[in-house]
Amino acid sequence: DADVTQTPRNRITKTGKRIMLECSQTKGHDRMYWYRQDPGLGLRLIYYSFDVKDINKGEISDGYSVSRQAQAKFSLSLESAIPNQTALYFCATESSGASTDTQYFGPGTRLTVL
Amino acid sequence: GENVEQHPSTLSVQEGDSAVIKCTYSDSASNYFPWYKQELGKRPQLIIDIRSNVGEKKDQRIAVTLNKTAKHFSLHITETQPEDSAVYFCAATYSGTYKYIFGTGTRLKVLA
Repeated sequence: DADVTQTPRNRITKTGKRIMLECSQTKGHDRMYWYRQDPGLGLRLIYYSFDVKDINKGEISDGYSVSRQAQAKFSLSLESAIPNQTALYFCATESSGASTDTQYFGPGTRLTVL
Repeated sequence: GENVEQHPSTLSVQEGDSAVIKCTYSDSASNYFPWYKQELGKRPQLIIDIRSNVGEKKDQRIAVTLNKTAKHFSLHITETQPEDSAVYFCAATYSGTYKYIFGTGTRLKVLA
């Protein structure tokens, strides 16, 4: 779904580095989410935002921060990356006005922390 | 805390057979239960969902059932085809909000 994009798609970094993952959407959705996917653990919610001024912690927010710069943009930051943050990261969006609560996922960012 | 358990973690079926994946949730206030399919190397995509005021929903070969009393819901795929091979995730909303808790996924293999 090209309406939800993530940059970068792949990133290799070193322990202690600051990393920012970006998500943009052209769907006009107000709800945005960040998840990480690990083998055998499914999708775990890191942060979510229901509008520009609303930011909420998810299940596993420690070590992460987010910024909702605009309705269309939601960035995830790792202030000091560590190896156990190696994972596949997905951004997702959802409309508050639709009849179904479909989450639209971005293509994912594969992050490796050495 | 909120939790969604999903079973089995892997499932192999012969083409044409049925597949059933089950999820159990802990939050009695959960009111929306979507199922997502993730093909290899791709993003999860919604395939079917059900709300707490409905017991069953069908869409061609897939169906979802919900038992609110027991707090579990299931995905049923009939007449499975090789293209059904993927990882399937269930999810539940937490406390009536739009915060989602996902199950750990089921890898379905349809053997030709």
